[in-house]
Amino acid sequence: NAGVTQTPKFQVLKTGQSMTLQCAQDMNHEYMSWYRQDPGMGLRLIHYSVGAGITDQGEVPNGYNVSRSTTEDFPLRLLSAAPSQTSVYFCASSRSGNQPQHFGDGTRLSIL
Amino acid sequence: GQNIDQPTEMTATEGAIVQINCTYQTSGFNGLFWYQQHAGEAPTFLSYNVLDGLEEKGRFSSFLSRSKGYSYLLLKELQMKDSASYLCAVTDKLIFGTGTRLQVFP
Repeated sequence: NAGVTQTPKFQVLKTGQSMTLQCAQDMNHEYMSWYRQDPGMGLRLIHYSVGAGITDQGEVPNGYNVSRSTTEDFPLRLLSAAPSQTSVYFCASSRSGNQPQHFGDGTRLSIL
Repeated sequence: GQNIDQPTEMTATEGAIVQINCTYQTSGFNGLFWYQQHAGEAPTFLSYNVLDGLEEKGRFSSFLSRSKGYSYLLLKELQMKDSASYLCAVTDKLIFGTGTRLQVFP
């Protein structure tokens, strides 16, 4: 099993560009989430989903969109990239919100 | 609102015992996770406490007091490879603290 797969691993964008960070899991997990991690800030929850067709906002949702059309995939869209969105992004999945989360390897995103 | 506090940094010596504390104030609470994160890597699961008390798992133990909004992670017989950040996180939404960076010295 691949677990949680994030692509790309690295990306550089210009301010104002849009892009989609991909996340896929092959464990049939219902719960998926996106975090960003900045130095000294820990992991901050952006959006999460408790199942296909259901998404909700986390702590820092502004500037990001998500959708969950299938159980396996949970893409994160940056609508108009800003330098403040430079960060490491982690996707995670679990059977439920009260089960251990499995994390992807992260996407390192730089906005110039 | 949600507030989770951990010390920013701790140091310890190889073979020693270290306790990393986590205090929380959250609007909803189902349980508390501890994760380990080595530099440049993804977090990995260590423990999950739902009920008050101590959960032991090898060299690592985790304690929870729901009435006090308090948890700690206890690491025994420290090894160099334990140098990492330790993150506590509270459910129902999985909200993380800022993490404690532990450095183990020989």
